[in-house]
Formats: sequence, C-alpha cells, structure tokens
Amino acid sequence: AQSVAQPEDQVNVAEGNPLTVKCTYSVSGNPYLFWYVQYPNRGLQFLLKYITGDNLVKGSYGFEAEFNKSQTSFHLKKPSALVSDSALYFCAVSPRWGNNTGKLIFGQGTTLQVKP
Amino acid sequence: GAVVSQHPSWVICKSGTSVKIECRSLDFQATTMFWYRQFPKKSLMLMATSNEGSKATYEQGVEKDKFLINHASLTLSTLTVTSAHPEDSSFYICSARDGASGRAPDTQYFGPGTRLTVL
Repeated sequence: AQSVAQPEDQVNVAEGNPLTVKCTYSVSGNPYLFWYVQYPNRGLQFLLKYITGDNLVKGSYGFEAEFNKSQTSFHLKKPSALVSDSALYFCAVSPRWGNNTGKLIFGQGTTLQVKP
Repeated sequence: GAVVSQHPSWVICKSGTSVKIECRSLDFQATTMFWYRQFPKKSLMLMATSNEGSKATYEQGVEKDKFLINHASLTLSTLTVTSAHPEDSSFYICSARDGASGRAPDTQYFGPGTRLTVL
C-alpha cells in the first residue's frame, strides 16, 4: 500500500537552531513530493515540492527539503528556526501514475515547536 | 497567485439540516478540486475528487448521497452535507489544482477550511 510516514509527532527546537522534520514514503515510480504547513484553524499552505532535478529544493520562508531516492526520504530543513515557524507540518506524496495519480497521500503530520 | 477561498469559515447547524460549503479558486481555473476532512490534530482524509462538468469520484467509505459535491464551473465547487449529524462535525478543507494555465498543474492549493459543528 502507498503510504507516507512522519515518524515524529512533535519536534522541539530552540529559536536560531537548525530544524529537521522527517518524512519517508512508500510509493513506487518517482512520485511528486510536497511539504505543506498548517497554522491553527487554517488551511494548508504550500511550502515546496520536488518534481525532478536537484535533490535540494528551496521553498518559502527559508525552508528547504532534501530528496534522497535510495532512502525514499524527503526531510524538511531550515538552518535557523523562528518562533513563528511553530505549526503543523505535513509531508505529502502524489503518484505519477496508477490509481492515485494526482491525489495527495499525506503523512500524519509533525508539530514543530520553536521555543524562544 | 493560486488563492483558494472557502465559505463559510465556520458554521453551526442543528442535527438533520443540510449545510453547503463553497470552494473557489480566485485567480486560476481549477479543473480539479478535492475535498478533505480533518479531525483534530490528525491528518487530512481525502473524501472526493471533483472534476468540472462531471460527477465527483468518492473515496472508499465516503457516502456520496450524504456528501454531495457539485463542480459547476472552473472556479467553484460545493460540498453539501445533507442531514447532518453530530458525527459530521469536523474541519472540511478543499484544494484546487490549476489544470488550465499549465502553471504547476501538479500542485494542490488549499482553502482556509470550514469548521462545521452539528448540534
């Protein structure tokens, strides 16, 4: 079955420190990879995506993500965390073909808490 | 660009009534829209895929007669929760994909969500 795993329910970092939010997936055929962020009682905001090319993808608000094909991972990173980065982060995968083409398969979400 | 709105942002209704939620793409044409349901501190559950001018495709376990979806134009999809019950209370989020301009056809842009509370 196709799935996305975010192994950490919550990640705590101090402001100014680097952060990593982990994501691995089990979807065949080089899927599209996405990160979204959700603030309380709001919809999801698109952060970045990997389609093809350079394994390091840069996105909004200083976030970046590294695609690792052999490990089927797409970890979200930021060199210096801000308190305002505190939110719920979702990794999502979209198969390029098959029954779920065009759909997003979401991880369970990781709450990022950045403390001053 | 790529802004999606939802209306209303929150609604409270009595059990047995029907509630309509609108999802609009404001600056692009959305050939495909998606409806999700999200429980507190949980991931999003895809309910259905809505294609302009055709019937929606529902995910397994989602009652199509209870959750009516209409995608009558390239900028508007509606979700109607019919005969709502307290267990339908949830956060409903729509997303839209820009399939017309060729700009990022693979990316879904999400609305702000609608909080439904059924008493």
